Amino acid sequence: QQQVKQSPQSLIVQKGGISIINCAYENTAFDYFPWYQQFPGKGPALLIAIRPDVSEKKEGRFTISFNKSAKQFSLHIMDSQPGDSATYFCAAFHPSNTGKLIFGQGTTLQVKP
Amino acid sequence: DVKVTQSSRYLVKRTGEKVFLECVQDMDHENMFWYRQDPGLGLRLIYFSYDVKMKEKGDIPEGYSVSREKKERFSLILESASTNQTSMYLCASFSSDPSSYNEQFFGPGTRLTVL
Repeated sequence: QQQVKQSPQSLIVQKGGISIINCAYENTAFDYFPWYQQFPGKGPALLIAIRPDVSEKKEGRFTISFNKSAKQFSLHIMDSQPGDSATYFCAAFHPSNTGKLIFGQGTTLQVKP
Repeated sequence: DVKVTQSSRYLVKRTGEKVFLECVQDMDHENMFWYRQDPGLGLRLIYFSYDVKMKEKGDIPEGYSVSREKKERFSLILESASTNQTSMYLCASFSSDPSSYNEQFFGPGTRLTVL
């Protein structure tokens, strides 16, 4: 009930391609779904987030697609660049106002030039 | 900018040693978290604190304890380090203010190796 399942574990994409990372959850009480980006040697940082009352959110080349009925959401990176190479974590926000997040397993993205 | 700092970037300890990992945040956040990050397992919550002297167990608290004597500082303690505690440890903070953006701010991490 508290898990967020993320796939794939690793992804290799050519420069200019589309990177897609998928996540699924079970607890319908989750009310906020952020994606975090982590570069080597750094802590994760918030990339983009969505609430379950919308089906899509776009910020630049990054888009979250959200399917509430299927309890799934995904991150799409359009025109992927070598600078996007990082580890990406999806997460679900526990509605307790303490900021507690449930993280997915992470996806290591490599964008080849 | 919110800043979360961790006392060490790299730490090497011996089995059985008591280990202290320190985390400090400068934004007066009520909530602080300790995670460990392992390949293929993502970020797993060890402990979190929603106020000074308050703490709650996360998903994997065994072998760890925490201390929060001041609002800005949250310490993770390994009472007797073991090799299976070799990992990357990440600290994060979060504001309970509903008007603030819903974001956990992370420190750079401490890579702990237990020999």
